[in-house]
Amino acid sequence: DIQMTQSPSLLSASVGDRVTLSCKASQNIYKYLNWYQQKLGEAPKLLIYYTNSLQTGIPSRFSGSGSGTDFTLTISSLQPEDVATYYCYQYNSGPWTFGGGTKLELK
Amino acid sequence: EVQILETGGGLVKPGGSLRLSCATSGFNFNDYFMNWVRQAPGKGLEWVAQIRNKNYNYATYYAESLEGRVTISRDDSKSSVYLQVSSLRAEDTAIYYCTRSRELDYWGQGVMVTVSS
Repeated sequence: DIQMTQSPSLLSASVGDRVTLSCKASQNIYKYLNWYQQKLGEAPKLLIYYTNSLQTGIPSRFSGSGSGTDFTLTISSLQPEDVATYYCYQYNSGPWTFGGGTKLELK
Repeated sequence: EVQILETGGGLVKPGGSLRLSCATSGFNFNDYFMNWVRQAPGKGLEWVAQIRNKNYNYATYYAESLEGRVTISRDDSKSSVYLQVSSLRAEDTAIYYCTRSRELDYWGQGVMVTVSS
């Protein structure tokens, strides 16, 4: 199985900060990597698919990059509504797997 | 507008069984793979099962942690997907989400399953 490792597990940042979240795969997943945002008490929401494609309706301050085993989600200017847990997910090969999540909070 | 609604959750005794249903609307259900993903209280997300569409012979895939105890199925005439889980254990306690497509692009609000005596 492909293991997905996210870091850090907890991130504190201030409004307006540029924030970078990391996701590493245990083997090559090419670009089959998505990012999801989950706010407290809500279902996850797709932000970025196929590494760097922005889902419809998602603000342009969110962006993704990477390939192979190393991936990044960047929020260019953190907003209060971005407080959430972020998960990466690989769909290159089954069983499909999620990272453990990064909880993003305001400093 | 894509809509996904899960039903069928509740309190089940260890060893029991449960069938979750997921009704969808707002898209051509026949074209899409469908998945179940679960989340134990306070924990992360775990992909559970996928069923592909007719073009892929309705192939099914399961997480190893549940294989043998879970069956995913679909009814294209009802735009619905189902998850049958048997021999339930305390560790199956979770919110179960129904999600669309290989990319998990749309999610329902989830249904809570609690396994407890």
